[in-house]
Amino acid sequence: NAGVTQTPKFQVLKTGQSMTLQCAQDMNHEYMSWYRQDPGMGLRLIHYSVGAGITDQGEVPNGYNVSRSTTEDFPLRLLSAAPSQTSVYFCASSYSIMGRTYEQYFGPGTRLTVT
Amino acid sequence: GEDVEQSLFLSVREGDSSVINCTYTDSSSTYLYWYKQEPGAGLQLLTYIFSNMDMKQDQRLTVLLNKKDKHLSLRIADTQTGDSAIYFCAELMRDDKIIFGKGTRLHILP
Repeated sequence: NAGVTQTPKFQVLKTGQSMTLQCAQDMNHEYMSWYRQDPGMGLRLIHYSVGAGITDQGEVPNGYNVSRSTTEDFPLRLLSAAPSQTSVYFCASSYSIMGRTYEQYFGPGTRLTVT
Repeated sequence: GEDVEQSLFLSVREGDSSVINCTYTDSSSTYLYWYKQEPGAGLQLLTYIFSNMDMKQDQRLTVLLNKKDKHLSLRIADTQTGDSAIYFCAELMRDDKIIFGKGTRLHILP
């Protein structure tokens, strides 16, 4: 298993540009989520999904869109990049036990800089 | 609010025990987790505890859970230089969100 993969590893955007951060997992996990990590702020939940076709907002959803058309993929879209979105983005997935999420596996992260 | 609280820094001498504390928010949280992040890397699950347990031990790691006070702690026995990292506490909330604390940076003194 490749686990959780994220692409790209690094990205530089200009303000106003849009892009999609890719996340895929091959463990048939139902639960997937996106976090951003900023110095001194820990990890903050952006969006999450409990299964294909279902998404929900986390703590900091503004400026980001997600979709979950398949179990494997959970892309994160930045609609109009802003310098405040400069961060390291982590995707995670987990399986469920009795409908509740369990141990999360994290991808290696995407380091995004918006100039 | 949805804030998982942790102290930001901890310094411990090599060979001593490290105790990292966390206060979580949702008394109905079913799972509580400890993750480790080494420099430049992603997060790695260290251990977790189910809410019906008071303690869990796994080799050098001991997790204590006080549900009444919503307090979680991670004890690392015989702390080694390889334990130097950021440790995150996280909780699974009733709406299936997994919320993280800001992380505690563990520094090992020689």
